[in-house]
Amino acid sequence: DSGVTQTPKHLITATGQRVTLRCSPRSGDLSVYWYQQSLDQGLQFLIQYYNGEERAKGNILERFSAQQFPDLHSELNLSSLELGDSALYFCASSKIGTGVSHTIYFGEGSWLTVV
Amino acid sequence: GQNIDQPTEMTATEGAIVQINCTYQTSGFNGLFWYQQHAGEAPTFLSYNVLDGLEEKGRFSSFLSRSKGYSYLLLKELQMKDSASYLCAVRGVGGGATNKLIFGTGTLLAVQP
Repeated sequence: DSGVTQTPKHLITATGQRVTLRCSPRSGDLSVYWYQQSLDQGLQFLIQYYNGEERAKGNILERFSAQQFPDLHSELNLSSLELGDSALYFCASSKIGTGVSHTIYFGEGSWLTVV
Repeated sequence: GQNIDQPTEMTATEGAIVQINCTYQTSGFNGLFWYQQHAGEAPTFLSYNVLDGLEEKGRFSSFLSRSKGYSYLLLKELQMKDSASYLCAVRGVGGGATNKLIFGTGTLLAVQP
């Protein structure tokens, strides 16, 4: 158990709909990351938040948005869903800084299936 | 730009040794990580290198050459449970305190009896 908690674990929804994925980071971690993993692709970095502020942005679609709340939990909002959005979405957390103590730890992921 | 290359698949025999290579080209470098991922599960941290050389951790070792943009993960005394994907990831140098990791597509290792 990495200490990163994600809900829901599985989600099936229709095209055009909107879903929210939730993440609680490890205790003491201020930084949260979102990654997408599709069957035919590796882990793709979407976005990072640090203590409530956006820090880095990757290949995140405009239909997707995220935020980090004062209690440090984060939500990833996916809207106008398409079949190609079906993937495993991981949340990860870390402390900020260099060194092995700032390793990124992953949650169990949220399986999203768009039908 | 950033590019991380690993072999797509490898096969090895139980009890043997296997080396998984990773080459990278990134705009900055602040450490290289190896993760293990079983199908449908979370990636789990295996090893970290930031300086050149070999880091050993039980049956797993990882090597880094920054000048060559090259790393490998060495798995000894292979067990069936080592069948998984092994992900190489580079932590770049970014402004604004970002620690994000950029991952390769992973190497699927199959351990056979």
